[in-house]
Amino acid sequence: EAQVTQNPRYLITVTGKKLTVTCSQNMNHEYMSWYRQDPGLGLRQIYYSMNVEVTDKGDVPEGYKVSRKEKRNFPLILESPSPNQTSLYFCASSLFGWNTEAFFGQGTRLTVV
Amino acid sequence: SQQGEEDPQALSIQEGENATMNCSYKTSINNLQWYRQNSGRGLVHLILIRSNEREKHSGRLRVTLDTSKKSSSLLITASRAADTASYFCATDAGGTSYGKLTFGQGTILTVHP
Repeated sequence: EAQVTQNPRYLITVTGKKLTVTCSQNMNHEYMSWYRQDPGLGLRQIYYSMNVEVTDKGDVPEGYKVSRKEKRNFPLILESPSPNQTSLYFCASSLFGWNTEAFFGQGTRLTVV
Repeated sequence: SQQGEEDPQALSIQEGENATMNCSYKTSINNLQWYRQNSGRGLVHLILIRSNEREKHSGRLRVTLDTSKKSSSLLITASRAADTASYFCATDAGGTSYGKLTFGQGTILTVHP
């Protein structure tokens, strides 16, 4: 089954403790992206990747890191999480960029206390 | 900044009625997409319309695009309770910036049985 898989689905952590949210897709898509969703703000793009070893900042990259060492994986790293990073996070992938359908993961609800 | 903005923010209708949601955007685009999100879950792609298209249909969905007004509408005909969800439009940045996909804040649709 074609899918984007995020882990974990739920995470509660403390301020400053490094964490990684994994994202994997099995569709051989070139494009991958991370979004955060907050009430009243909609979805905002954090980082995106157009291929292996190619990443670029979205609209809200501060406090986040990403890497794309393999085509299927695109982990999101929070080196020193802060409470304002409490949010619902989504990973998405697309075959050839955003002029084709994007597939989304089920989301990771992160709480930083 | 939000490229796409949906209107209305919330819409409440009875089963069997039609639902119309609008999206406005600011800059030129290559394509516009509509997505659906059931409460707290991942987004699901509904339809993509390219900048050189004016109208597109998919089942009970009809999307129009007016590039002169920088606006799009999503019409759901003969709505069902299962259509209750949030609906988002998403636009690329136009030109060759294929990495950025920007979402609006969404329209919350409630269909009463």
